[in-house]
Formats: sequence, structure tokens, C-alpha cells
Amino acid sequence: AQKITQTQPGMFVQEKEAVTLDCTYDTSDQSYGLFWYKQPSSGEMIFLIYQGSYDEQNATEGRYSLNFQKARKSANLVISASQLGDSAMYFCAMRERSSGYSTLTFGKGTMLLVSP
Amino acid sequence: DARVTQTPRHKVTEMGQEVTMRCQPILGHNTVFWYRQTMMQGLELLAYFRNRAPLDDSGMPKDRFSAEMPDATLATLKIQPSEPRDSAVYFCASGLVGGGDQPQHFGDGTRLSIL
Repeated sequence: AQKITQTQPGMFVQEKEAVTLDCTYDTSDQSYGLFWYKQPSSGEMIFLIYQGSYDEQNATEGRYSLNFQKARKSANLVISASQLGDSAMYFCAMRERSSGYSTLTFGKGTMLLVSP
Repeated sequence: DARVTQTPRHKVTEMGQEVTMRCQPILGHNTVFWYRQTMMQGLELLAYFRNRAPLDDSGMPKDRFSAEMPDATLATLKIQPSEPRDSAVYFCASGLVGGGDQPQHFGDGTRLSIL
């Protein structure tokens, strides 16, 4: 089974609207961390936001927030007030205690296109 | 801001040639990762080092790929001989293990084309 599943290959949103990018994960660890990265067309990987499995509150970072539903094993990224510069590939990733909190396992990504 | 530096940014070479990619991790980070990104496979972990010691290279084709970390400021990934199927973007990332919420920071990648 895939550890990280991103079911939306592509998403479209209009500027200034909010968008949710889905991510579900599979782990038997009680302790793990979830990360979101952004990859614009220029190719670099940019860290956006982190959620720990024991964090009681959803993580927020500026216009980014994480809708963390532990029982459902989902960690959806919410981008509020989309901007044209948000057009990019978005990757969800997980780091597990069983890997020594070392390695990240990435999903296949979701391509987000923001239109004017 | 501290950054992971990768060189070269682009490399085009012929099949059979040796390719060396270099990475300077962020000062103070104790773990260095090498990833390969392709359209078909997505992001794959090739190898990683902690405190310069190789911990896992199970993601690398052993017969042609090698990864080393000769000192704390330099990690290298070599392919010899290169093949067209090695064409991909290779990323280096560094991070702090044990810092649970600390992300891996990625370099800009090396875009490799093997003709």
C-alpha cells in the first residue's frame, strides 16, 4: 500500500479563492510528522508547513493551513486567498518514528493552477 | 537564508560517460539525502548520510551509482557509466535528525540528460 496518497493529479482555482489539496497517509507508527512542499515550474522544492502527529491544533503558516484529521489519516493542505504565484506542484510527505525520523516518503503530487 | 547548494544545475552528456553531482549541505545539518525525481516514479530516495556516515543506499542501483561524503561540506553522487534511463532531476537535501519538526531543505536540483 502507498504510504502517501494524493488523489488529485490536478486542481484548478481562481485567484483569491481558497483551495484544498488532499493527502491521506498510511502508518502504524504512533509518532510521525507530515510535511507539505511546493515545487514551482522552476524546479526547486520549498517547504511549506509541518504537522506533528501529537499536535492538537492544526498547523498554520500564513496563507497555508493543514486540516489534520488523525482518525481519518488525512492531512489536507488549505491555501487561502490563492495567488497566481501559487501555481505549482504540491507534495505531501511523511516522516515516521520507525525510520528514525530520518527519511521522508513523498506522494505523487498535485498540480495546482491558479487562474486570474 | 542558508541554502543547500547543488552543482551543476544542468548536465547533458553521452551514454557511458561518468557524471558527478555535488552538494553543499546547510552548515550544521547532520543528515544529507539524495533523491531522484522522474515523471514516472516521482521522488525516490537514493541514499542518505548521517554525520557523514552512509546509513542507507538501498534506493541506488549499486552497480553504477555511488554516493560519498568526503567532508561535512560536500556530498557527491556519481554515476559510472551513465545510461539514458538515468535522465532525471537529482536533488540533494539536508536536515537535522532528531529535530522532529525540522524539515529537509532541498537544493535546486541537477537536471541530468543522458543522450
